[in-house]
Amino acid sequence: DGGITQSPKYLFRKEGQNVTLSCEQNLNHDAMYWYRQDPGQGLRLIYYSQIVNDFQKGDIAEGYSVSREKKESFPLTVTSAQKNPTAFYLCASGHGGGTEAFFGQGTRLTVV
Amino acid sequence: GIQVEQSPPDLILQEGANSTLRCNFSDSVNNLQWFHQNPWGQLINLFYIPSGTKQNGRLSATTVATERYSLLYISSSQTTDSGVYFCAVERPLDSNYQLIWGAGTKLIIKP
Repeated sequence: DGGITQSPKYLFRKEGQNVTLSCEQNLNHDAMYWYRQDPGQGLRLIYYSQIVNDFQKGDIAEGYSVSREKKESFPLTVTSAQKNPTAFYLCASGHGGGTEAFFGQGTRLTVV
Repeated sequence: GIQVEQSPPDLILQEGANSTLRCNFSDSVNNLQWFHQNPWGQLINLFYIPSGTKQNGRLSATTVATERYSLLYISSSQTTDSGVYFCAVERPLDSNYQLIWGAGTKLIIKP
């Protein structure tokens, strides 16, 4: 089945550790996005990528890093520099240029 | 930048009731989407509706781009309709597609 797969669903991180969240899509979408959602809030854009080997910072990129080595994959690393990483992370993809965006099931990250 | 406001922020209804959710935006937009976030966090696409009216079963949406608002109608509500409904618009004249999100309407349908 076509879709967007995020893993893991739940992730626990110790303070000071980097963790990487996976996002894979088989929809042949050019554009991919990472969002952060805090409890009771809307979504905020972390990073986005329109094409392979290129990505742009969103509104809250500090403390995060990404790569886009393959069209299908857009992993997000939450670094130790992110002071408040506990949140729900959502990955999305689309054809870009104003077309419809589709979302994965999300990863819930908790710092312990 | 564009402001997106959704109302009401919270809505509690009995099963079977109808509801109207509103999304206002402060500037011209290229595109608008409605999403339903279920209690497990999954965001489900409802409508991609930059203008006009669309219907999908018990749900329908209307966007009046010239007046800068969109409405989502839910008829004969079911408990599975509970969750948060978001509208998101695209920044106009932007070479990189980015969605600007409203804060959402939290809908609770009581059995």
